[in-house]
Amino acid sequence: GENVEQHPSTLSVQEGDSAVIKCTYSDSASNYFPWYKQELGKGPQLIIDIRSNVGEKKDQRIAVTLNKTAKHFSLHITETQPEDSAVYFCAASEGTNAGKSTFGDGTTLTVKP
Amino acid sequence: DAGITQSPRHKVTETGTPVTLRCHQTENHRYMYWYRQDPGHGLRLIHYSYGVKDTDKGEVSDGYSVSRSKTEDFLLTLESATSSQTSVYFCAISDQGDSTEAFFGQGTRLTVV
Repeated sequence: GENVEQHPSTLSVQEGDSAVIKCTYSDSASNYFPWYKQELGKGPQLIIDIRSNVGEKKDQRIAVTLNKTAKHFSLHITETQPEDSAVYFCAASEGTNAGKSTFGDGTTLTVKP
Repeated sequence: DAGITQSPRHKVTETGTPVTLRCHQTENHRYMYWYRQDPGHGLRLIHYSYGVKDTDKGEVSDGYSVSRSKTEDFLLTLESATSSQTSVYFCAISDQGDSTEAFFGQGTRLTVV
């Protein structure tokens, strides 16, 4: 089955700096890669996703890049703000079943004011 | 927020007792999922459903059963709860199609003593 590895497990940055979280996957059949943000006491919420026919996607301060050959994808957050502090999860799935995903173990991001 | 309601939100039960968690959606989405979240493990898929009475196993299905008799309800049952099933359980939904995303509920914290 699919295996997703996520690094780092914790990340601390100063407000205004950039943050980068990296994930690798093992199954070349995976073609959908969502990123979720989870705040304390809440369920994960999708912040950005990318499909295998696209190399990069951007949404305001958040961007995701995908390298299918190397089987890795990354989340980039620019101009970080204290409200970006949360746990971030990458995931990988196959087909059109968006919720049937294998998740990474999460990255706890802390943005210091 | 997507219309997903998990009940109960918190439960403490004794080892060996049966437990049923409920997920109710108002979005009429085709797919429903149950995940568990444990420290250091991210989210792991237990079971999922692709339609009424159509279910399949996920990565960590042992000790769990599910049922979906209506589009809007997906039940997760622990036939005989064990301490290893102490976890936070999340329900998720997604619709069919290439451009859909998954939405997660608020979670149910289950403690087995």
